[in-house]
Amino acid sequence: AQKITQTQPGMFVQEKEAVTLDCTYDTSDPSYGLFWYKQPSSGEMIFLIYQGSYDQQNATEGRYSLNFQKARKSANLVISASQLGDSAMYFCAMREPGGASYDKVIFGPGTSLSVIP
Amino acid sequence: DVKVTQSSRYLVKRTGEKVFLECVQDMDHENMFWYRQDPGLGLRLIYFSYDVKMKEKGDIPEGYSVSREKKERFSLILESASTNQTSMYLCASTPTVTGELFFGEGSRLTVL
Repeated sequence: AQKITQTQPGMFVQEKEAVTLDCTYDTSDPSYGLFWYKQPSSGEMIFLIYQGSYDQQNATEGRYSLNFQKARKSANLVISASQLGDSAMYFCAMREPGGASYDKVIFGPGTSLSVIP
Repeated sequence: DVKVTQSSRYLVKRTGEKVFLECVQDMDHENMFWYRQDPGLGLRLIYFSYDVKMKEKGDIPEGYSVSREKKERFSLILESASTNQTSMYLCASTPTVTGELFFGEGSRLTVL
């Protein structure tokens, strides 16, 4: 069963507008972490933001913020003031304990964001 | 700067061939991962390793094996390549606890 769900395969946003990319996850472990990565057409994976399950405040990094709703198991990415360079695939990912000594990191299917001038 | 290097950017192999994909990181990270990326499916975890000679299956290990003889090197092996293994393969590493993954540039494998 898919543990990371991104329900928006593709999205469009007007330049300078804000956009929210949805992510829901499923885990029974109380200790986990959530990431967002950006993959432009060049193919590189760019780390954007991280939220730990015990963090009290929502993570922010520049124009990126993570809207973390723990009870809903939701970790949506908000991009403010979209720029043309934000056009890319965006992946939500979760780190969870895989055993006593290690964590595993799994990804969602991604959302393709296109910023319109 | 952090560096994860995958040995081959593009490979073309024939069905039944043995394929090695190599990944080297220079950051002394304990954890290393192999993913495959396919359109609409995102990144799917094949195998990961949290220490030298230690490995764990991910979500899609069938048809793959791995080797980690040295801390910096994590190899993905396709014992007998099949056409459904045509994909982009991404290697990543991360230090224990902090979690951010550092990715290589990817290896695009085509199996004919």
